[in-house]
Amino acid sequence: LAKTTQPISMDSYEGQEVNITCSHNNIATNDYITWYQQFPSQGPRFIIQGYKTKVTNEVASLFIPADRKSSTLSLPRVSLSDTAVYYCLVGRILTGGGNKLTFGTGTQLKVEL
Amino acid sequence: DTAVSQTPKYLVTQMGNDKSIKCEQNLGHDTMYWYKQDSKKFLKIMFSYNNKELIINETVPNRFSPKSPDKAHLNLHINSLELGDSAVYFCASSSRQGVPDTQYFGPGTRLTVL
Repeated sequence: LAKTTQPISMDSYEGQEVNITCSHNNIATNDYITWYQQFPSQGPRFIIQGYKTKVTNEVASLFIPADRKSSTLSLPRVSLSDTAVYYCLVGRILTGGGNKLTFGTGTQLKVEL
Repeated sequence: DTAVSQTPKYLVTQMGNDKSIKCEQNLGHDTMYWYKQDSKKFLKIMFSYNNKELIINETVPNRFSPKSPDKAHLNLHINSLELGDSAVYFCASSSRQGVPDTQYFGPGTRLTVL
C-alpha cells in the first residue's frame, strides 16, 4: 500500500479552520483515502473517507485532487476537544474480506484558546 | 454498550513469559484485526480475520498467534515475550465486504515487558 506523508504537528486556535495535507504519491487505482483521529489512551476513530473529488460529513471535509496523489482534511472551526493525532491512510479492499489500512506517522494537532 | 472491548487494559510481565490479550466485538462484524502501536505512535497492522479465517498475516514473529473462536472474538497469544514487544495493541473490526469500510477500534491493551 502507498506510504503517506503528513506534517508531524500543527497548532491552531479555537474557531479557526484547520487544513491538514497528506501526500500519497504511489496510490493505486483502486485504493481509497481515509482519515482517523486518535485521542491519548484511546483507539483511532474514523473521521472521513473518499476516492476522489470532495467529500463532506458532519465533522470534516476531504479534498482529493484529480491525480489523487494528495488529500487535504479540513476541520471547520476547531475547538479544544479537537486536539488529537490525525492519521491519513490509504485503504485497500481485500478479496478475502475486510480492508487493509496502512497508517502513517500522523499529525499532532494542538488547539489553543 | 462497548462496541469493541479488550482485556486486559494493562499488562505488565517479565521477559520469557506467555500472555494472551482478548478482544470481543458486539457489532456483528465479520472482520477483525490486530494492530501494534509502538512508542512513536506508529500503528501497524498485524493480523486480520474474516469469518474466522486468516486474511492478513504481516511480517510478525511466529511467537504471536491469533485465534478466532467465533466471529465476535479475536484473541492474541504471545509466547516468550521480549522487551521489544512492549507496545499498545489495538483490536478492530469492520463489517462491509468489497467496499471501503470503517474500522472500529478497541481501547487498546498496553503491554509492558520487563
